Amino acid sequence: EAQVTQNPRYLITVTGKKLTVTCSQNMNHEYMSWYRQDPGLGLRQIYYSMNVEVTDKGDVPEGYKVSRKEKRNFPLILESPSPNQTSLYFCASSFGTEETQYFGPGTRLLVL
Amino acid sequence: KQEVTQIPAALSVPEGENLVLNCSFTDSAIYNLQWFRQDPGKGLTSLLLIQSSQREQTSGRLNASLDKSSGRSTLYIAASQPGDSATYLCASLPSGTYKYIFGTGTRLKVLA
Repeated sequence: EAQVTQNPRYLITVTGKKLTVTCSQNMNHEYMSWYRQDPGLGLRQIYYSMNVEVTDKGDVPEGYKVSRKEKRNFPLILESPSPNQTSLYFCASSFGTEETQYFGPGTRLLVL
Repeated sequence: KQEVTQIPAALSVPEGENLVLNCSFTDSAIYNLQWFRQDPGKGLTSLLLIQSSQREQTSGRLNASLDKSSGRSTLYIAASQPGDSATYLCASLPSGTYKYIFGTGTRLKVLA
């Protein structure tokens, strides 16, 4: 089954404790991206990747890191999480930037 | 910078009605515009993608139109059903970028 998976789905952590949210797709997509969704603000793009080893900042990259060492995986790293990073995070992928995006189920993060 | 607006934020209609959801964007130079559906606690599902050279796309009871000159897209849902209840989001991909800009969505409730 073609899908985008994210882990974990739910995470509670404390300020400053490094964490990684994994994202994997099995559709051989080149374009992958991370979004955060906050009430009243909609979805905002954090980082995106055009292909392996090619990443770039979205609109809200501060406090986040990403890597793309393999085509199927695009982890999101929070080196020192803060409460303002409490949010619902989505990973998405597509064949190209102008193609239909497929979204993962989301990761709900709470930073205390 | 591109801004995407969806009005109204929420809408309730009786079952069977035809309805139109609106999406406005400030910069007409776009690669494409996509419509998504989001169910509570779930990820986004792509409904329709309209490339900048197209005027409309259809899938079943859904029809999406694009008017770049006026900065508007509409999603038409025919013969609405309770199962159509969800939040509908539009997203534009501005020309010259690889960053999607999302609207904040319209929460639709179809009453049985």
